[in-house]
Amino acid sequence: EAQVTQNPRYLITVTGKKLTVTCSQNMNHEYMSWYRQDPGLGLRQIYYSMNVEVTDKGDVPEGYKVSRKEKRNFPLILESPSPNQTSLYFCASSYVRGGAETQYFGPGTRLLVL
Amino acid sequence: AQSVSQHNHHVILSEAASLELGCNYSYGGTVNLFWYVQYPGQHLQLLLKYFSGDPLVKGIKGFEAEFIKSKFSFNLRKPSVQWSDTAEYFCALSSTNKLIFGTGTLLAVQP
Repeated sequence: EAQVTQNPRYLITVTGKKLTVTCSQNMNHEYMSWYRQDPGLGLRQIYYSMNVEVTDKGDVPEGYKVSRKEKRNFPLILESPSPNQTSLYFCASSYVRGGAETQYFGPGTRLLVL
Repeated sequence: AQSVSQHNHHVILSEAASLELGCNYSYGGTVNLFWYVQYPGQHLQLLLKYFSGDPLVKGIKGFEAEFIKSKFSFNLRKPSVQWSDTAEYFCALSSTNKLIFGTGTLLAVQP
């Protein structure tokens, strides 16, 4: 089954404790992206990747890092989480640049930073 | 700057009522538009999309949307909603390397 998976689905952590949210897709998509969803703000792009070893900032990249060492995986790293990063995070993938092609979304990771 | 506006933040309807959710966009070039739905506790799913051609687009679950270029709009419609349509609906515009989302509309359908 074609899908985007994320782990963990729920995470409670404390300020400053490094964490990684994994994202994996089995559709051989070149493009992958991370969004955060906040009430009243919709979804905003954090980082995206056009292909292996090619990543770039989205609209709200501060406090986040990403890597793309393999085509299927695109982890999101919070080196020193802060309470303002409490949010719902979605990973997405698509075949081309995430423009005209349809993006497929993962199930989401709900993060609470205390 | 490109943007998407959804003016209805919360909509409450009774079952069998007709639905229309507004979506306006700001972009001067060729647009690709999407409606996504997020059921409670679930991820975003594509309802329908417009790339070109017929401006009336039909999607899944009986939803449709009409692209009106002169009004910069892409409103979502359904003639008769069901309780199971309770969800949050997002309009999105395709831009270089990302989707630009509206703030979403929470739809609650009362049985």
